Amino acid sequence: AQTVTQSQPEMSVQEAETVTLSCTYDTSESDYYLFWYKQPPSRQMILVIRQEAYKQQNATENRFSVNFQKAAKSFSLKISDSQLGDAAMYFCAYRGAQKLVFGQGTRLTINP
Amino acid sequence: DAGVTQSPTHLIKTRGQQVTLRCSPISGHKSVSWYQQVLGQGPQFIFQYYEKEERGRGNFPDRFSARQFPNYSSELNVNALLLGDSALYLCASSLSPRLDTEAFFGQGTRLTVV
Repeated sequence: AQTVTQSQPEMSVQEAETVTLSCTYDTSESDYYLFWYKQPPSRQMILVIRQEAYKQQNATENRFSVNFQKAAKSFSLKISDSQLGDAAMYFCAYRGAQKLVFGQGTRLTINP
Repeated sequence: DAGVTQSPTHLIKTRGQQVTLRCSPISGHKSVSWYQQVLGQGPQFIFQYYEKEERGRGNFPDRFSARQFPNYSSELNVNALLLGDSALYLCASSLSPRLDTEAFFGQGTRLTVV
């Protein structure tokens, strides 16, 4: 079975600084996708960034980028120039056959 | 365009009762998945439906059931409610079950069992 582990229950960062959220996963599948979702207090899951396992190049979306280490099964999220609106729960997720498997989440606080 | 809509937004039920949660996918999306998110944890997969057929089921008891209608909307039913069923229930829609299709989530239904 696939598992996703986020070892940082909480993280905080000063506004405009950079923060990295960690994620590791376990799978025996060869074809899969990895995602980072943001869940603000409004509860709606919002896709932040995604990475195809077959692509070696790390995905980037504006201030958000990932460090995908396939052999180590590691998938960290870097947020640059942190903004107050980035405060939320962040979930790492694995998508294999049919379903998303989520980690436990990391609560990110932005200090003004 | 409307996103994924779920109803109701909040619900309070008594132990032993039955509940039905509803989800309308984004127009054109034929796949709907349900997730349970207990407070302080990540969402857990319950069901996936595609073209009205069940495509996947998570590790949940038979008290949980779902169906998808011809218009691709979906209902999640939970019978004989337990206190532990209290959670946020999320619905996600996508064009298909393919790995490369993005899942869009609704705002969820907060179920409280007392």
